[in-house]
Amino acid sequence: QVQLQESDPGLVKPLETLSLTCTVSGYSIRSGYYWGWIRQPPGKGLEWVGSIYHNGNIYDNPSLKSRVSLSVDTSRNRFSLRLSSVTVADTAVYYCVRCATSAGGWFDPWGQGTQVTVAS
Amino acid sequence: IVLTQSPATLSLSPGERATLSCRASESVSAYLAWYQQKPGQAPRLLIYDASNRATGIPARFSGSGSGTDFTLTINTLEPDDFALYYCQQRSFWPFTFGPGTKVDIK
Repeated sequence: QVQLQESDPGLVKPLETLSLTCTVSGYSIRSGYYWGWIRQPPGKGLEWVGSIYHNGNIYDNPSLKSRVSLSVDTSRNRFSLRLSSVTVADTAVYYCVRCATSAGGWFDPWGQGTQVTVAS
Repeated sequence: IVLTQSPATLSLSPGERATLSCRASESVSAYLAWYQQKPGQAPRLLIYDASNRATGIPARFSGSGSGTDFTLTINTLEPDDFALYYCQQRSFWPFTFGPGTKVDIK
């Protein structure tokens, strides 16, 4: 079955760039679907960050004010998120997902999530 | 699109029925999903397109509604069902989630 695994960047300093990679197994990214990122600040709800298709088509959340960069590497069957100029408000668990129908969902399956902490 | 979920917390006993509501600020047609999240775990897709159960989801979970008003019903709550539930719309960009309903044990 399809499985997704996020990288573990751990601690990121304020104003630096957060980089995350999601490695997909059990399915070839180039075969289709959008692939996305969702985050969850501690004790809070879920926020869609952005989604990318294997051809590079991107949807991202305007609330992140153009700080988001998404990319896909079909040769390594993985996709990536870069979030620039991070602040403590970007501290969250970041999940990578497959978007089962369109860029906006449905999100299934999910990776296990990776905790990202922004602190000096 | 703003999604509002009610109640924020639902306290029930095993065996009871849970009825969770999700209301959209504008019509999202049937483009609504429900997810379950347990502490320390990633969310799991339960229902998509308002009323379709995802693969492997037990029949006690059902979804209904269209337009702006949606309901997730859990018949005969089992101990494993006490969790947080989110609705999500994909009708309009940016794609949004509701704030969640916590179903806890009474």
